[in-house]
Amino acid sequence: KAGVTQTPRYLIKTRGQQVTLSCSPISGHRSVSWYQQTPGQGLQFLFEYFSETQRNKGNFPGRFSGRQFSNSRSEMNVSTLELGDSALYLCASSWRESTNEKLFFGSGTQLSVL
Amino acid sequence: GENVEQHPSTLSVQEGDSAVIKCTYSDSASNYFPWYKQELGKGPQLIIDIRSNVGEKKDQRIAVTLNKTAKHFSLHITETQPEDSAVYFCAASNTDKLIFGTGTRLQVFP
Repeated sequence: KAGVTQTPRYLIKTRGQQVTLSCSPISGHRSVSWYQQTPGQGLQFLFEYFSETQRNKGNFPGRFSGRQFSNSRSEMNVSTLELGDSALYLCASSWRESTNEKLFFGSGTQLSVL
Repeated sequence: GENVEQHPSTLSVQEGDSAVIKCTYSDSASNYFPWYKQELGKGPQLIIDIRSNVGEKKDQRIAVTLNKTAKHFSLHITETQPEDSAVYFCAASNTDKLIFGTGTRLQVFP
């Protein structure tokens, strides 16, 4: 059974640009959660999608957005990139809502903003 | 909202010794407490979890304890091995969000 796949693995962008990250969950999983990981800050919750609907959102500015498709694949978009957006972005999938379920994480997309 | 504090941020132990990582949470409604292990270059992986109706859970060398009154929970690793070296994250959730602690880097020296 294939795991959670995130693409691309690495990304370099400049300030002001926008970026789209992709996540393919484990087959059959309907929930996809996104986290931002930075040194010293741990994993900060961005948002969760369940059956194409945003179930919850963390405390990030509106520049961070996401969506989920009917096949459960998810994308997150960051517009007007800032230096502070440099981080590892992790996607996790689960069968049901993330708050009571084991999460399966991808290896992440390392975003560097120059 | 929920806030999770995790200590220590780094922990070094000799192979064979025990390691303990502690977390506190703020939302008394939290009812699910998983622990994740993250190895270099990989995403976090669930190693053990506990629900609020249970005080302790064990899985081989790993155990988690939960004190609902004090709102803290701990991860215990016994007979540590070099392959236990990784970053460990605790988390807490109610029905709303799963919130992670800031992580503990565990180093096990042979």
